[in-house]
Amino acid sequence: NAGVTQTPKFQVLKTGQSMTLQCAQDMNHEYMSWYRQDPGMGLRLIHYSVGAGITDQGEVPNGYNVSRSTTEDFPLRLLSAAPSQTSVYFCASRRPGQTYEQYFGPGTRLTVT
Amino acid sequence: GQQLNQSPQSMFIQEGEDVSMNCTSSSIFNTWLWYKQDPGEGPVLLIALYKAGELTSNGRLTAQFGITRKDSFLNISASIPSDVGIYFCAGTIQGAQKLVFGQGTRLTINP
Repeated sequence: NAGVTQTPKFQVLKTGQSMTLQCAQDMNHEYMSWYRQDPGMGLRLIHYSVGAGITDQGEVPNGYNVSRSTTEDFPLRLLSAAPSQTSVYFCASRRPGQTYEQYFGPGTRLTVT
Repeated sequence: GQQLNQSPQSMFIQEGEDVSMNCTSSSIFNTWLWYKQDPGEGPVLLIALYKAGELTSNGRLTAQFGITRKDSFLNISASIPSDVGIYFCAGTIQGAQKLVFGQGTRLTINP
């Protein structure tokens, strides 16, 4: 299994540009999440999904959209990038049930100028 | 807002020393997880705890789910250079399903 994969690894955007961060998992996990990591802030939940066709907002959803058309993929879209969205983005997945043990991808480092 | 307080924020130790870090909250938690993040990588799960008072080991790592259900501890014995990284606690608050994360403890080891 490849686990959780993310592309790209690095990205630089200009303010106002849009882009999609890709996330895929091959573990047949129903739950998938997107986090952003900023210095001294830990990991903050952006959006999550409990299964194909179902998404919900996390702690910091503004400026981001998600969709979940398949179990495997959970892309994160930045509609109009802002410097405040400069961060490292992690995708994670986990099995359904009560274990809450999430598996993280390698991250995407995004810089918005 | 931040519901977990993780301390210390950073540690500088000598190789071979033992390490202790903890997370506390004013809320009651149902689950505690401890992750390690290497530079440029995503967090990797080290230990998961599901019952108050539970003590679980993973090699040189030992973690405990506090009896009050409001805290958790991670100990690393006989540290080695590959223990360097950022350690995060995470947990699920009673009545909620989402994980909340601590701010992380950055561990640096002097050889």
